[in-house]
Amino acid sequence: KAGVTQTPRYLIKTRGQQVTLSCSPISGHRSVSWYQQTPGQGLQFLFEYFSETQRNKGNFPGRFSGRQFSNSRSEMNVSTLELGDSALYLCASRGPGSTDTQYFGPGTRLTVL
Amino acid sequence: AQKITQTQPGMFVQEKEAVTLDCTYDTSDPSYGLFWYKQPSSGEMIFLIYQGSYDQQNATEGRYSLNFQKARKSANLVISASQLGDSAMYFCAMREAGILTGGGNKLTFGTGTQLKVEL
Repeated sequence: KAGVTQTPRYLIKTRGQQVTLSCSPISGHRSVSWYQQTPGQGLQFLFEYFSETQRNKGNFPGRFSGRQFSNSRSEMNVSTLELGDSALYLCASRGPGSTDTQYFGPGTRLTVL
Repeated sequence: AQKITQTQPGMFVQEKEAVTLDCTYDTSDPSYGLFWYKQPSSGEMIFLIYQGSYDQQNATEGRYSLNFQKARKSANLVISASQLGDSAMYFCAMREAGILTGGGNKLTFGTGTQLKVEL
C-alpha cells in the first residue's frame, strides 16, 4: 500500500502571496490532519478533515484554511503569507478500524521570503 | 499545563546499548492513545509504537517498547540495541478520545528528544 504523499515537497514564496499544499492519504483512509512544525513552536495541529468535513481546528488565524475532496485527498491553503509561516507542513492520515495509528507524509517545506 | 512533556532535549547512547526516552502526559480524558514518532533530518515522521489507555500490556514493536505507567502518567520509549540509524529526533504524542473535548484525531506533541547514537 502506498503511503501518505504530499506535494510539493519544497516551496519558496514571498510575503503576501498565497500557497496551496496537497496531501493524498493512504488508500482507504478518510481522516486527514495537518500540522505545522517550526523550530520555535514545535508541532502544532492545524485542522482535521473526515469525509469532506472539518472535524477539528487548531488555534491558527483564518488565513489558514483547508478542504477535503470526495476521494479523501486534502488541500490546505495559506493566504497573505507572512515570514512566520515558513515551516514544515505535515499531513497525517488515519484509517478505519480499531487501530489508532496515524501515518505521516514526508511534508512540504515552505519558505517565505 | 503542558499536555506532553519531554524533559530530555538531547541524549547520547553508544551503539548496541539500550536507551530510555522520557515522556509524561496530562489529560483528564479517560480514553486516550500515546504514540512515539521518529523524525530523521529528512523531516518525515515515522510511526514507531502506540499504547492505548486501556491496554493492559506494554506495547512492543521489534526493538521498541513502551514503558506505560498509567498512575504516574508516563509513557517512556525504550530502544534496545541502539543502531547508528536510530539517530534522530523522537516525539511523544497523545490523542485524546474527546469524551471531554469532542473527539477527532488531533495529536498533541511534546518538544522532542534528539538522540545521537555513537560508535
